[in-house]
Amino acid sequence: VIWMTQSPSLLSASTGDRVTITCRMSQVISNYLAWYQQKPGKAPELLIYSASTLQSGVPSRFSGSGSGTDFTLTINSLQSEDFGTYYCQQYYSFPWTFGQGTKVEIK
Amino acid sequence: QVQLVESGGGLVKPGGSLRLSCAASGFIFSDSYMSWVRQAPGKGLEWVSYISASGSTIYYADSVKGRVTISRDNAKNSLYLQMNGLRAEDTAVYYCAKCSEQTTVTFGRYSYYYYMDVWGKGTAVTVSS
Repeated sequence: VIWMTQSPSLLSASTGDRVTITCRMSQVISNYLAWYQQKPGKAPELLIYSASTLQSGVPSRFSGSGSGTDFTLTINSLQSEDFGTYYCQQYYSFPWTFGQGTKVEIK
Repeated sequence: QVQLVESGGGLVKPGGSLRLSCAASGFIFSDSYMSWVRQAPGKGLEWVSYISASGSTIYYADSVKGRVTISRDNAKNSLYLQMNGLRAEDTAVYYCAKCSEQTTVTFGRYSYYYYMDVWGKGTAVTVSS
């Protein structure tokens, strides 16, 4: 099983801020990592796959980086609609695993 | 547009069974790998099961292995999750997700990995006496 450590668990920031969420793997997964955003009562939505490829329709203020064991999701110029919980997920090997989630609050 | 609609959730007693369904539209279902993910109340996401396009390759999370069966009917554009021996800890919203392919070429050798790109709205399962 590949364990994932996602941090921070809670992030409070103001609109316009640059925020960063990190995900660390217990073993190398190349770039087989996705990031999802989930709003309360809604299904998750894919933001980024292949660690850094932006899903179609996702605003360009979202970006992903990393390879191997350490990955980062960055939101440049945080907007009010970016509140929610963000999850990383590895699809390198089964069982697929998710990070614990980062709740982003807008100050 | 791509749409996934789950159904079949509800209240069931411990030890009971449920069959979840996921109706797919807007894409070629028979070419698509699919997955189930669940989320317990107030908790994070947990992957449950995965099935290849033909149904020949299947994986389960250890937490459900032996109690859950994933299947699909490509003629009906439908994905299923048969759940038996339900426990209180199976209480969750269950999402079906369509998978897309990521192709990697290393030294001329192709590798295919799948990520979940479209999710349904989910169906709630409550296991309680």
